[in-house]
Amino acid sequence: DTGVSQNPRHKITKRGQNVTFRCDPISEHNRLYWYRQTLGQGPEFLTYFQNEAQLEKSRLLSDRFSAERPKGSFSTLEIQRTEQGDSAMYLCASSRLSGTSLSEQFFGPGTRLTVL
Amino acid sequence: GENVEQHPSTLSVQEGDSAVIKCTYSDSASNYFPWYKQELGKRPQLIIDIRSNVGEKKDQRIAVTLNKTAKHFSLHITETQPEDSAVYFCAGGYQKVTFGIGTKLQVIP
Repeated sequence: DTGVSQNPRHKITKRGQNVTFRCDPISEHNRLYWYRQTLGQGPEFLTYFQNEAQLEKSRLLSDRFSAERPKGSFSTLEIQRTEQGDSAMYLCASSRLSGTSLSEQFFGPGTRLTVL
Repeated sequence: GENVEQHPSTLSVQEGDSAVIKCTYSDSASNYFPWYKQELGKRPQLIIDIRSNVGEKKDQRIAVTLNKTAKHFSLHITETQPEDSAVYFCAGGYQKVTFGIGTKLQVIP
């Protein structure tokens, strides 16, 4: 499968624990995005990378959230000291930026986080 | 930053009728406007997109129009079929896109 993959697909954790999610984008894609989606809402932007550089992080995002893309390939999203409000579907998407023009984002299947 | 508003939040149409979903955006620098379809339990998938140098784009039963002056864009689905039932998201932006809240479309056979 050459699409975007995410692991794990489901994560149940207790409040206060740290969790880490992984995203493997389509190999030739230089852009990687993280979103959070709750029921009845659209994907909410969290952060994005161009190659290994993190270009923007949502101002609404708590300092408990951090993301990396160390070699410009896979990315990890870590949530420290999880709260019940963090329960959501975490989506990763990748795209190929051509010049300065945005293009189609290909989404992964998501990681569903449940914080008890 | 960009703010994208979408309406209606729900839409029911009879099979064979047309469906229209409308979105507005706030940032005049936005130049890319994709539409995604998300079926229940699945990931969003692009169905059509339009850039700011184009006013209209069509792909079979799906069309999108863009009015840069008014900062709004619309999705038109003609001859709707039950398999068109899903949640549709508009999005817009320049460096990245911001998504609308989504429209749940139900096509009644």
